[in-house]
Amino acid sequence: KNQVEQSPQSLIILEGKNCTLQCNYTVSPFSNLRWYKQDTGRGPVSLTIMTFSENTKSNGRYTATLDADTKQSSLHITASQLSDSASYICVVSAPPRVLTFGGGTRLMVKP
Amino acid sequence: DGGITQSPKYLFRKEGQNVTLSCEQNLNHDAMYWYRQDPGQGLRLIYYSQIVNDFQKGDIAEGYSVSREKKESFPLTVTSAQKNPTAFYLCATDRGSSGNTIYFGEGSWLTVV
Repeated sequence: KNQVEQSPQSLIILEGKNCTLQCNYTVSPFSNLRWYKQDTGRGPVSLTIMTFSENTKSNGRYTATLDADTKQSSLHITASQLSDSASYICVVSAPPRVLTFGGGTRLMVKP
Repeated sequence: DGGITQSPKYLFRKEGQNVTLSCEQNLNHDAMYWYRQDPGQGLRLIYYSQIVNDFQKGDIAEGYSVSREKKESFPLTVTSAQKNPTAFYLCATDRGSSGNTIYFGEGSWLTVV
């Protein structure tokens, strides 16, 4: 069964600090991996999308990494801001276009 | 502005009622999706449509129905057969090819009263 597990479930950090969110998946075959940011009560917004051949991709202060051999991905947030408080969702796609969503990590950035 | 519009944002349903959630897009995307989100859980696919007048069941289609009469519109009806409908519902679209970015609407909260 295709599964996407995210850790930690929740995280509290101080403004200005860095953090790393983890995503482990068992989806096979693999097409691509996406990270989304979801503010409370809003729709998810795309941060990055990576294919099998990509190891890292950045979007501003967000950097995603992918190790397709170990089926792990991480999302690193640099110099966190209060506006980074949200849920971060890892989504893995299998051909033809089957998406499996992780349960998300809830990040709270405190001043 | 281009985008996806869901309405209403908040909806209350009485026992035994059917309710319909609207999803409209002006992105000219072929594929449209409906997801259900429960607290602490990943999004689950209800229905999807890759082309007008065609749609497929997702993982949790029981108690829901959809139509795709126009490319721009993909309404979701939550029927009285859905025994636990209280959730956050998200509509999404993409161009219909693997690797495309999926765009989500702002979501609709449905509560049973």
